[in-house]
Amino acid sequence: SQKIEQNSEALNIQEGKTATLTCNYTNYSPAYLQWYRQDPGRGPVFLLLIRENEKEKRKERLKVTFDTTLKQSLFHITASQPADSATYLCARPLSGGSYIPTFGRGTSLIVHP
Amino acid sequence: DAGVIQSPRHEVTEMGQEVTLRCKPISGHDYLFWYRQTMMRGLELLIYFNNNVPIDDSGMPEDRFSAKMPNASFSTLKIQPSEPRDSAVYFCASSKQGSGAPETQYFGPGTRLLVL
Repeated sequence: SQKIEQNSEALNIQEGKTATLTCNYTNYSPAYLQWYRQDPGRGPVFLLLIRENEKEKRKERLKVTFDTTLKQSLFHITASQPADSATYLCARPLSGGSYIPTFGRGTSLIVHP
Repeated sequence: DAGVIQSPRHEVTEMGQEVTLRCKPISGHDYLFWYRQTMMRGLELLIYFNNNVPIDDSGMPEDRFSAKMPNASFSTLKIQPSEPRDSAVYFCASSKQGSGAPETQYFGPGTRLLVL
């Protein structure tokens, strides 16, 4: 089965620093990866999508990379703020050609003031 | 748009009781998904519909679980009989299929279910 692996340990950083979260996948290289943010008591919210032919994607303070050799995506938040504290989920298609995502378990980010 | 609407937001029931979760997707979206989220297993896809038709229910854990989508604006997920291990947060999500492009999913606020 296609798997998504994210660091289960919470990432603690100081305000202003860059947070980097990792998403590793197994088996075939997906056509794209998605990143979602989930706050406590709420549903996930879509942030970014990166395709396999894109090495990097940016949106404001967010940056996502996609390395098909390492089978990995990195999610960066620059100049982090306490409001960025949340769980971040990585998702990939269920199977080749599918648009249905399967999610990793997420990594909790805690930004300390 | 109000987004995906789920009800109830919280449900506490006793083992053996029937539980019905409800979802109203975003108007115009043609895909509807039901997920279950627990600390142990993360976010799991249970079933999804396309144009009200169930496409893949391989994630439904047991025959105790059933889902319906009688029309484009309403879906239910039913658990009968419920068991303590069904305790989780159940999310409904919807999306609109683009012209070959992957579409993002819009999640509801979830229903937190506790089976005693």
